[in-house]
Amino acid sequence: GQNIDQPTEMTATEGAIVQINCTYQTSGFNGLFWYQQHAGEAPTFLSYNVLDGLEEKGRFSSFLSRSKGYSYLLLKELQMKDSASYLCAVRDSNYQLIWGAGTKLIIKP
Amino acid sequence: ETGVTQTPRHLVMGMTNKKSLKCEQHLGHNAMYWYKQSAKKPLELMFVYSLEERVENNSVPSRFSPECPNSSHLFLHLHTLQPEDSALYLCASSQETGGSEKLFFGSGTQLSVL
Repeated sequence: GQNIDQPTEMTATEGAIVQINCTYQTSGFNGLFWYQQHAGEAPTFLSYNVLDGLEEKGRFSSFLSRSKGYSYLLLKELQMKDSASYLCAVRDSNYQLIWGAGTKLIIKP
Repeated sequence: ETGVTQTPRHLVMGMTNKKSLKCEQHLGHNAMYWYKQSAKKPLELMFVYSLEERVENNSVPSRFSPECPNSSHLFLHLHTLQPEDSALYLCASSQETGGSEKLFFGSGTQLSVL
């Protein structure tokens, strides 16, 4: 079966750095997405990786290793507004999106 | 504001009721989706419409009935639901380009079935 694993919950301190990991086992690979979802709000797109390496976008970076079936989302200079759930999703060989259950990130002052 | 609007935001219904969820996208996209989001579970794709034609139905019970009258509007008709259908129902849209397209989600309808 196809599977996406990510931690259920993480806690970090304002101003610090946090890394949210995502590992996947899918039938083929056609890209990996990260979405952010604040409580009671719509998920919003953060990043897309299809080639190995690091994609940087301001305070957020996303890394992909296709050989390891692994990605991480790196959040720097954490702010209270970064408290949210972070969803990892992989597009398989049939271009279907396979979703993880999300990581709830709690930021403490 | 994501450009995708869902109504109502909250809905409480009995098992014998009939209700409809509405979704409208203002982005000119050619594909629309219904997802079910339950606590601590991955998003479950329910239906996909591409160019107003249904292209996917992931073994969803017949008590859920989608309708896509045009490329901007999507409905989910609900009837004789079960308590386990209580969840957040998310609508999304995208412009299909062959793989890298991102989804734009609405804020969802929080459904409670009593």
